[in-house]
Amino acid sequence: AQSVTQPDIHITVSEGASLELRCNYSYGATPYLFWYVQSPGQGLQLLLKYFSGDTLVQGIKGFEAEFKRSQSSFNLRKPSVHWSDAAEYFCALITGTASKLTFGTGTRLQVTL
Amino acid sequence: NAGVMQNPRHLVRRRGQEARLRCSPMKGHSHVYWYRQLPEEGLKFMVYLQKENIIDESGMPKERFSAEFPKEGPSILRIQQVVRGDSAAYFCASSQGERAAQYFGPGTRLLVL
Repeated sequence: AQSVTQPDIHITVSEGASLELRCNYSYGATPYLFWYVQSPGQGLQLLLKYFSGDTLVQGIKGFEAEFKRSQSSFNLRKPSVHWSDAAEYFCALITGTASKLTFGTGTRLQVTL
Repeated sequence: NAGVMQNPRHLVRRRGQEARLRCSPMKGHSHVYWYRQLPEEGLKFMVYLQKENIIDESGMPKERFSAEFPKEGPSILRIQQVVRGDSAAYFCASSQGERAAQYFGPGTRLLVL
């Protein structure tokens, strides 16, 4: 069965610093990959998605992610974090045989001023 | 430009009552998904529906839970005889097609007293 691992439960960065959130997946083929962000008490907002093609994908709010097949990873990056980026971030996948999203456990980002 | 709409945003029920959660997908989307978010379990898929059809209900509890997406009107997630363990945030998402990007609503926070 497919799975998603987000090894970092909680990350703290200073405003203006760069950010990388890790995501690893387990699946026999290439899945469709997504990053979502959730602010407290809110729904999930889609940041970016990877289906195929260019392995570096750009998303909203200045985020990007790189798909690395050899490492089964899809890490999220941002060059300069803003205080408003503080939230919980979820990596998720869809496999080729089902439409349901399988989520990682999330990484909570705290931004210090 | 309406996104996915869910109501109510908050719902309080006593044990044994019924809870009805409604979801209107984004305009042009005919695929609806329900997910549940529990503090210690993360986001879990419950059910995937298209108009008048349940496509995948592999994540639905076997008893007390049901879902529908009628030809007209919103999708409904129904929980009969609620128990305290049903307290959670329930999210609806919609997409244009199978294995496509899913867009989430703001969620319904269910509290069972």
